Amino acid sequence: NAGVTQTPKFQVLKTGQSMTLQCAQDMNHNSMYWYRQDPGMGLRLIYYSASEGTTDKGEVPNGYNVSRLNKREFSLRLESAAPSQTSVYFCASSESDRHSGNTIYFGEGSWLTVV
Amino acid sequence: SQQGEEDPQALSIQEGENATMNCSYKTSINNLQWYRQNSGRGLVHLILIRSNEREKHSGRLRVTLDTSKKSSSLLITASRAADTASYFCATDTDKLIFGTGTRLQVFP
Repeated sequence: NAGVTQTPKFQVLKTGQSMTLQCAQDMNHNSMYWYRQDPGMGLRLIYYSASEGTTDKGEVPNGYNVSRLNKREFSLRLESAAPSQTSVYFCASSESDRHSGNTIYFGEGSWLTVV
Repeated sequence: SQQGEEDPQALSIQEGENATMNCSYKTSINNLQWYRQNSGRGLVHLILIRSNEREKHSGRLRVTLDTSKKSSSLLITASRAADTASYFCATDTDKLIFGTGTRLQVFP
């Protein structure tokens, strides 16, 4: 049982390049999330998907797009990467379609550097 | 945004000592959760305490919640070197908002 799997683990991008972070969960969870973690800022929610077919903005959605491809997969796309998007990105999932009161299960993180 | 503020930012102790981390928040919550993050890894859920609960235990972990003071504490008793990690509180209204974390170092 792999839990939440995200790829790639590390990526270096040039400013203006695009890329997609992939995420899949094998726990049959309804909700999936993308967070970014920056030093001194904690984790900030970028986008979330409460159920298959729905997506909603979090705290810091600008510069990102997401796709809930099916119940298992939730991808995060940077259309035109900027140095401010250098961060560690975490995909996560939870069983319920309500964010509140749920245990969140995290992937291992993707380290993205934009130069 | 409503965000838990952990205190202290960093804590160093010897094995066997207790470690206490505090979390303060600004507005009413449904629940409060604590997570642990080992260096270079994802976060792992430790414990959830509901707004109508005052104290909760899980193994060597003890969490308290004081809604009148809008604060929570996480106590790790008899700490071990393996407890070295960052610990985050997450305040839970209709969304989960994470704090900036306390970095705990436990020396053997």
